[in-house]
Amino acid sequence: AQSVTQLGSHVSVSEGALVLLRCNYSSSVPPYLFWYVQYPNQGLQLLLKYTTGATLVKGINGFEAEFKKSETSFHLTKPSAHMSDAAEYFCAVSNSGAGSYQLTFGKGTKLSVIP
Amino acid sequence: KAGVTQTPRYLIKTRGQQVTLSCSPISGHRSVSWYQQTPGQGLQFLFEYFSETQRNKGNFPGRFSGRQFSNSRSEMNVSTLELGDSALYLCASSLEGPGYGYTFGSGTRLTVV
Repeated sequence: AQSVTQLGSHVSVSEGALVLLRCNYSSSVPPYLFWYVQYPNQGLQLLLKYTTGATLVKGINGFEAEFKKSETSFHLTKPSAHMSDAAEYFCAVSNSGAGSYQLTFGKGTKLSVIP
Repeated sequence: KAGVTQTPRYLIKTRGQQVTLSCSPISGHRSVSWYQQTPGQGLQFLFEYFSETQRNKGNFPGRFSGRQFSNSRSEMNVSTLELGDSALYLCASSLEGPGYGYTFGSGTRLTVV
């Protein structure tokens, strides 16, 4: 079984400040890890994903995340927050093994950006 | 290229009725998944299809079913609707599965009254 824990259901940052959204996962096999963003009344947009290889993954809109196996973490960061970053962010995990065809999502973190 | 298209965007149904939701994946994508999103339970996996075969199913009652056609388009059906089925239903497509990343549609907002 796999699970995802996102620390903090709501995070507020000032415009221009560092964004840090935390994600810890549990998986019995090497994981695939994802971050998605959801704007109101829309679907999910993929920000970045880790499958294999380099543990620091760069995504769209200036976001990046680092896979840390020893800490079972995949935290999302952005050096400088922009007003347009206000949205809900979801971390997700999938097993890399055969027969694993689903994403397990965290509960989400709502990011507010204060002007 | 066109994204994942879900129809309809909004739907209001009465308890006890049934509903069919449609999803057209990105051209060339053979894997289609469905998720239910509610404020209380978050995002929950319903099922995944690949080349017309269901490869995985989530923990939902048998009232929830789906299928995939030879052109990769997918439908999901919910019979005997209950108030608790009110949710945003999201479809996602991928080339072959999670490792390729999933592209999500905008969803169908189902309200059961």
